[in-house]
Amino acid sequence: DVKVTQSSRYLVKRTGEKVFLECVQDMDHENMFWYRQDPGLGLRLIYFSYDVKMKEKGDIPEGYSVSREKKERFSLILESASTNQTSMYLCASSFPPSEETQYFGPGTRLLVL
Amino acid sequence: QKEVEQNSGPLSVPEGAIASLNCTYSDRGSQSFFWYRQYSGKSPELIMSIYSNGDKEDGRFTAQLNKASQYVSLLIRDSQPSDSATYLCAVKSTNAGKSTFGDGTTLTVKP
Repeated sequence: DVKVTQSSRYLVKRTGEKVFLECVQDMDHENMFWYRQDPGLGLRLIYFSYDVKMKEKGDIPEGYSVSREKKERFSLILESASTNQTSMYLCASSFPPSEETQYFGPGTRLLVL
Repeated sequence: QKEVEQNSGPLSVPEGAIASLNCTYSDRGSQSFFWYRQYSGKSPELIMSIYSNGDKEDGRFTAQLNKASQYVSLLIRDSQPSDSATYLCAVKSTNAGKSTFGDGTTLTVKP
């Protein structure tokens, strides 16, 4: 079974702090994704990565950056957290082109005070 | 216009009924279509994928795709209370590395 893990289930941070969200997958997947999910706004793509050291902006990259130094690990960084970044953050991975299903991690609920 | 649109919901059906969930998309280059189920407080999980026009059945679930009408649907037969969840439609074009998700339709199956 594919397993996608995220470093924290719940996180509370203060405005202005630098926040790191970590995601690890164990199936040698090429693609990895970071989404945020908010009530009424659905699932919105922040960044994705095709391969190590590769990254592409998604629909809402402002205020975020990412790092993929190893194939299995994809990190989301909030350089200076703001209250409007309070959200559920979901990581996913997939293995194109033979397998396009995205496998999601359990999510990190981030509260920025 | 959103790239992927779903019934706004919520949708409520009695136990044993057929639940019909609909999704339209705007990109005619889309080639891959997915339905994910998300229980409250959990992350999405794939329940169906479909790539060709027509119907695809898996147990109580049937996905229907009509590329000419840019429409994909999910039918759930003999709905059970355990089917109560939010259903997300996702669409991917051949050249894109990412899928675009709809906002989801929340289904409640009443016993």
